[in-house]
Amino acid sequence: DAGVIQSPRHEVTEMGQEVTLRCKPISGHDYLFWYRQTMMQGLELLVYFNNKAVMDDSGMPKDRFSAKMPNASFSTLKIQPSEPRDSAVYFCASSSTGTRPSTDTQYFGPGTRLTVL
Amino acid sequence: AQKITQTQPGMFVQEKEAVTLDCTYDTSDPSYGLFWYKQPSSGEMIFLIYQGSYDQQNATEGRYSLNFQKARKSANLVISASQLGDSAMYFCAMREEFGSGNTGKLIFGQGTTLQVKP
Repeated sequence: DAGVIQSPRHEVTEMGQEVTLRCKPISGHDYLFWYRQTMMQGLELLVYFNNKAVMDDSGMPKDRFSAKMPNASFSTLKIQPSEPRDSAVYFCASSSTGTRPSTDTQYFGPGTRLTVL
Repeated sequence: AQKITQTQPGMFVQEKEAVTLDCTYDTSDPSYGLFWYKQPSSGEMIFLIYQGSYDQQNATEGRYSLNFQKARKSANLVISASQLGDSAMYFCAMREEFGSGNTGKLIFGQGTTLQVKP
């Protein structure tokens, strides 16, 4: 299995530009999560999907962030306009609904390191 | 509110020795899962081990074991026979179980940096 795939791995952009992060979950997984990691805040959930539907986006700044999952194998996280405080590592993770929900492990992608100048 | 606390910002261990990384948690949910992830300097998050709140036995995965003490709300990670490649940041995480309106999201601790000395 290829695991969770994220692109790009690194992104450097200037303040005010639009940034799009991409994620391909593990095949067959029905949950997809977007996390952000910073030194100050640690790892925090931005948004997650179940069967392509947004289940919880309470951690996402909605004025500039948007997340979509047009099909079961692809999700995007868009930031428009980007700001220096958005500089972080963005992780995508996926999991599946097992027979025992408590064993559903989230598997992470390699992350996208975003730098906004 | 749910909370995960890792009180050790950094730890050192001699190669081939065992080390325990501490994790305490707080939740009012009777059903939850506890996870440990490893983040090496390359940045990826690697799943290590899982413990369910109703599991009767402590989880083990190779050199990793989880010392689960439910009454004390602790879920310490034990790494036996440390190797140089174990040097990394380690995160403890908790998840409410799906259902009953729970989101299933992971709540992470701040992490512990482990350095294995040769």
